[in-house]
Amino acid sequence: KAGVTQTPRYLIKTRGQQVTLSCSPISGHRSVSWYQQTPGQGLQFLFEYFSETQRNKGNFPGRFSGRQFSNSRSEMNVSTLELGDSALYLCASSSGRGVDYGYTFGSGTRLTVV
Amino acid sequence: QKEVEQNSGPLSVPEGAIASLNCTYSDRGSQSFFWYRQYSGKSPELIMFIYSNGDKEDGRFTAQLNKASQYVSLLIRDSQPSDSATYLCASTGFQKLVFGTGTRLLVSP
Repeated sequence: KAGVTQTPRYLIKTRGQQVTLSCSPISGHRSVSWYQQTPGQGLQFLFEYFSETQRNKGNFPGRFSGRQFSNSRSEMNVSTLELGDSALYLCASSSGRGVDYGYTFGSGTRLTVV
Repeated sequence: QKEVEQNSGPLSVPEGAIASLNCTYSDRGSQSFFWYRQYSGKSPELIMFIYSNGDKEDGRFTAQLNKASQYVSLLIRDSQPSDSATYLCASTGFQKLVFGTGTRLLVSP
């Protein structure tokens, strides 16, 4: 079955701009989580959506937002980009139920802010 | 104190040896624990998960969990150069994974 699809793979944006990233989970998975990965901080949790509802949110400023559609696809938006937002943004898909569910990651979107 | 802690390494082992990767966690409410492998420039790939005390084996990999000591480990038997990667330990709490910063493993031929 198809994996987790993230688009675009690479982005270069200018400070102050905004960006939207997309994630399509594995078919049948209703949970989508977003993570930011940087060399210094590792993988940091942004937020998690299940059936169009945000269930959990990490410690990121309000410039980071997301949403999930009825087909479980999710988008993440970052407004007023800062240089420090340069990172690999990863989306993870899971069934969202039980203690032993696995998270499958997409290939990521590498965002560079200049 | 970080919620999930790992030694950053690198951990260097010769080909054919056993690699032992360790992780400690602070949240006693954590229910499941995951080991991911991440090659440079790639996304994390799930190797194993464990949620019961004791050992869980899958091929060359064995995950060990000790909830009393809040300790998780991953053993890789017969290590291969292709195992060279960063290994991420993660715990799950309320609808999120909390990752350690990863241990870099280098397997030399």
